[in-house]
Amino acid sequence: AQSVTQLGSHVSVSEGALVLLRCNYSSSVPPYLFWYVQYPNQGLQLLLKYTSAATLVKGINGFEAEFKKSETSFHLTKPSAHMSDAAEYFCAVSALYSGAGSYQLTFGKGTKLSVIP
Amino acid sequence: EADIYQTPRYLVIGTGKKITLECSQTMGHDKMYWYQQDPGMELHLIHYSYGVNSTEKGDLSSESTVSRIRTEHFPLTLESARPSHTSQYLCASSERGNTQYFGPGTRLTVL
Repeated sequence: AQSVTQLGSHVSVSEGALVLLRCNYSSSVPPYLFWYVQYPNQGLQLLLKYTSAATLVKGINGFEAEFKKSETSFHLTKPSAHMSDAAEYFCAVSALYSGAGSYQLTFGKGTKLSVIP
Repeated sequence: EADIYQTPRYLVIGTGKKITLECSQTMGHDKMYWYQQDPGMELHLIHYSYGVNSTEKGDLSSESTVSRIRTEHFPLTLESARPSHTSQYLCASSERGNTQYFGPGTRLTVL
C-alpha cells in the first residue's frame, strides 16, 4: 500500500521568492513519484516525475524536485516564483499492480499556491 | 503533449437523469482511468481499463459504470444522477509505463 502526505493545503509566497511545496510518501516498494499542476477549471498537467534514474529531477516551468529516500520525501521547489505559478499542485506515488501490469497513482490532497505581487 | 478530450466540460442536470461523460484520447494508449475530484481532497480512482473490453472498479466506490469498446474511447455513465454525484470527473490515459496524462475534466452538478 502507498500513501502521500502534502504538508500545507495552502502556501503563499511573494513574487520572486523561493517556492517550496512539501510531499512525503510511504510505499512498500520502490516508488515512482510525480508532481502535477492544476490550473483553475483545467485537468492535471505533469510537472515532473522520478523514476529512479536521478534523485534530482528537473521539470517544466523551472520546477525541480529531489527524491530523498531516507526522509521519504519528494519536495517541489522553484527558485523564483512567478504570478503564473499560482495553481494547485498534487504529489502522487505510483506502484505496479500485478496481473495486467498496470501502474496506478495515489494522490495527495493538493497544495494551493498563491503568489503575492 | 497529450491529446485527451472530455465532453461536456460543464453539466448541470436534474436528479434522476441518465448522463454519459465522454472521454477520448488520440495517443493509442492501452490504459485509461476515471478519477473523481472534490475540493480540498485527493483524486480518487473510480474506474480503470487495461484495454478493449477490460474494465475494473477503482478504490472509491461509485454508482457509475464504464465501457471500453474502442481503444480511444472510455465513456462513464450514471443511470440516475443524484446530488451526491456532484463533483469533478477527470479522465486519464497511459502507455505501458506509469505516466498518466489527464483530460480537462467535466464538472458535474446535479440539482
